[in-house]
Amino acid sequence: DSGVTQTPKHLITATGQRVTLRCSPRSGDLSVYWYQQSLDQGLQFLIQYYNGEERAKGNILERFSAQQFPDLHSELNLSSLELGDSALYFCASSHSTGQEAGTPLHFGNGTRLTVT
Amino acid sequence: GQSLEQPSEVTAVEGAIVQINCTYQTSGFYGLSWYQQHDGGAPTFLSYNALDGLEETGRFSSFLSRSDSYGYLLLQELQMKDSASYFCAVSGGATNKLIFGTGTLLAVQP
Repeated sequence: DSGVTQTPKHLITATGQRVTLRCSPRSGDLSVYWYQQSLDQGLQFLIQYYNGEERAKGNILERFSAQQFPDLHSELNLSSLELGDSALYFCASSHSTGQEAGTPLHFGNGTRLTVT
Repeated sequence: GQSLEQPSEVTAVEGAIVQINCTYQTSGFYGLSWYQQHDGGAPTFLSYNALDGLEETGRFSSFLSRSDSYGYLLLQELQMKDSASYFCAVSGGATNKLIFGTGTLLAVQP
């Protein structure tokens, strides 16, 4: 158990809808990262927050947004959903300010999103 | 930009040794990490190399050559439970984010 909690585990929704994925980092970790993994694909970096502030951004679509709250949990909001958004969405946390110096990322079990 | 290349699949038998290669292109390189993922589960950290050479952790070792932009993960005494996807990832670039390769699916056969 990595200590990172993601909810829900599974989500099925229709095209055009909006969903919110939630992540609670490991105790003491200030950085939260979101990754998208489509079928048989690698992990695509979406966005990183550190202590409530956006730290780095990947190829995140404008339809997607995220935030980190004062209690350090994070939410990823996906709107105007399309079939291609179906994927596993992982949250990870680390105790560092960034992904430097080999600080391991601790991943949650992911949220499997299916858009029909 | 940043890109990484790994073989898509590798097959080996129990007890054997297998090497998974990774070549990368990136700016501002800090280091190369390896993660293991079982069947869509949570990826787990295996190793990190910042300097050239071999790092050993039990049955797993990881190597880096910064001049060749190349690294590999070496798995010894393969066990069935080692069947998984293995991802290399680079730290670096303007935003210092961790970029993953597309992964290598290792199948260990009896």
